[in-house]
Amino acid sequence: QKEVEQDPGPLSVPEGAIVSLNCTYSNSAFQYFMWYRQYSRKGPELLMYTYSSGNKEDGRFTAQVDKSSKYISLFIRDSQPSDSATYLCAMSARANAGKSTFGDGTTLTVKP
Amino acid sequence: DAGVTQSPTHLIKTRGQQVTLRCSPKSGHDTVSWYQQALGQGPQFIFQYYEEEERQRGNFPDRFSGHQFPNYSSELNVNALLLGDSALYLCASSLAASGGPETQYFGPGTRLLVL
Repeated sequence: QKEVEQDPGPLSVPEGAIVSLNCTYSNSAFQYFMWYRQYSRKGPELLMYTYSSGNKEDGRFTAQVDKSSKYISLFIRDSQPSDSATYLCAMSARANAGKSTFGDGTTLTVKP
Repeated sequence: DAGVTQSPTHLIKTRGQQVTLRCSPKSGHDTVSWYQQALGQGPQFIFQYYEEEERQRGNFPDRFSGHQFPNYSSELNVNALLLGDSALYLCASSLAASGGPETQYFGPGTRLLVL
């Protein structure tokens, strides 16, 4: 059983749709919850992160963390074709913030 | 600022050979982490270097070793290559004092193919 499980996808949506990406985890020590975007043949790029529980909004992106359920989500509003990429959730414990445990990613395609 | 740079971009080796991958961190960063990303999977943590010492290590065999230099750049060495070592190797640099992931930047990776 992996420490971090991510909805596998792939996901294909029309432009303007609301996208929901989800991960579950088993390690209670995780305190930092990150979402990365990775384009083909590129390294992951940090989109946003949340410390502990709660919501965080940044433009069209909203990250939610529910530590009681060990469940995190990323919502993308008004999705654009440029949002087409693989989205990776990642988590780390406070004392080891540099060591992140990743999900296997969800590939999103936004069709014009 | 060039960000995190890695070399080479691509590499082809045969089983049993040894390989060295290189990483230059983003300016101002002092910590380097290495990850292995197999096709269709998320990155897996190999190890992290800070102050020229290995600070943390993931679940990888001793065939994987590394080094950090005084200028904070780093090398990843893999001995006795196996077919299963074929992957994208990512370097991430960060600032130890930040305590969180906000300063962690990934390089573009080195794609290793073992035949």
